[in-house]
Amino acid sequence: DTAVSQTPKYLVTQMGNDKSIKCEQNLGHDTMYWYKQDSKKFLKIMFSYNNKELIINETVPNRFSPKSPDKAHLNLHINSLELGDSAVYFCASSQGSPPSLHFGNGTRLTVT
Amino acid sequence: EDKVVQSPLSLVVHEGDTVTLNCSYEVTNFRSLLWYKQEKKAPTFLFMLTSSGIEKKSGRLSSILDKKELSSILNITATQTGDSAIYLCAAPLQGAQKLVFGQGTRLTINP
Repeated sequence: DTAVSQTPKYLVTQMGNDKSIKCEQNLGHDTMYWYKQDSKKFLKIMFSYNNKELIINETVPNRFSPKSPDKAHLNLHINSLELGDSAVYFCASSQGSPPSLHFGNGTRLTVT
Repeated sequence: EDKVVQSPLSLVVHEGDTVTLNCSYEVTNFRSLLWYKQEKKAPTFLFMLTSSGIEKKSGRLSSILDKKELSSILNITATQTGDSAIYLCAAPLQGAQKLVFGQGTRLTINP
């Protein structure tokens, strides 16, 4: 009965590979996000979807492609992984404004 | 450019001490400021502040917003080792469903 769940928790892969992270929320929220947290713990938004529609697309390389099949799911696919992609990726959801985010537990991505 | 800045970046104190964490912001058409606590995994919501001068309190934690100074503080009294975490503040950007976060304050409470 986890509110925002993402899989996998850990992802270790080599440069050049393609990988996906999945996220699901059971809070009934309309808006979902991907945030990236770097090694200095700085959280930065990447994407946001509202009811399956992309509403925020920050300056992110186009190797990153989000997909929202329905408002409860938001996935992140990353092509041609690079060393600099190593980080913790958080999925989050919110309802209303201003957004009070509910975060998943994060996916720690390590690119070797 | 809209931004949120926290200080200090790191703080180490002894159990029982009182700490004050700072957050300042430059946000166009500011509406609110949020505080989160991040232990090992996901950040969890602490407070949302919208009105200046009104303290929000939860147990030993309290927070207040000062719109004149464009800042907020988070106080923790009688700290415990379980308070060790990264404390994040964030502000929603105008017209956007997104939060911009500060760099966080890493708080360590030693027994």
